[in-house]
Amino acid sequence: GAGVSQSPSNKVTEKGKDVELRCDPISGHTALYWYRQSLGQGLEFLIYFQGNSAPDKSGLPSDRFSAERTGGSVSTLTIQRTQQEDSAVYLCASSLAGGGEREQFFGPGTRLTVL
Amino acid sequence: GNSVTQMEGPVTLSEEAFLTINCTYTATGYPSLFWYVQYPGEGLQLLLKATKADDKGSNKGFEATYRKETTSFHLEKGSVQVSDSAVYFCALGNYGQNFVFGPGTRLSVLP
Repeated sequence: GAGVSQSPSNKVTEKGKDVELRCDPISGHTALYWYRQSLGQGLEFLIYFQGNSAPDKSGLPSDRFSAERTGGSVSTLTIQRTQQEDSAVYLCASSLAGGGEREQFFGPGTRLTVL
Repeated sequence: GNSVTQMEGPVTLSEEAFLTINCTYTATGYPSLFWYVQYPGEGLQLLLKATKADDKGSNKGFEATYRKETTSFHLEKGSVQVSDSAVYFCALGNYGQNFVFGPGTRLSVLP
């Protein structure tokens, strides 16, 4: 079966513009995560969706960041009024139901460059 | 709360050298432990995992043993290859809680 897919693979935008990043998780995976990885850095947790529960937004760095997950499947991460410090690779991962002890499967990421 | 600490890199080794990357954790309950690997230009992929104390995860010649008494999950390989050059992330997963990743350790293997 298909793995986690993300689009676009690369996005270049101007400072102040809004961007939307998309993630298609593995079919049947109810947990979905967004992370940010800055150049040469580790993973920064952003947001976590588990089934129909309220998402854990504790990692979102500012109110310019938001995410939604429609129908328990596809997720969109939106960054409003982008800043240069938002430049990073945005990674999406999904896992089976059961919580954080389950293996996460990662997508290839979206590289965002804010000029 | 949960946390993961792993040795700072970069680690540079010659081919066929022995590798150890230390990882220790702090967690409530009984977490699962993971090592993920990120090869240059690629996404993260699971390398190995262990779900309970004394379990040993192994894959591609890498091994790690879940040591509850020392709260550790050190990654080892007896003989590294140039193709093992990558960034290695130790991670912890606990039921009902978020995954926690370590900062990553960059490994460079020289021919």
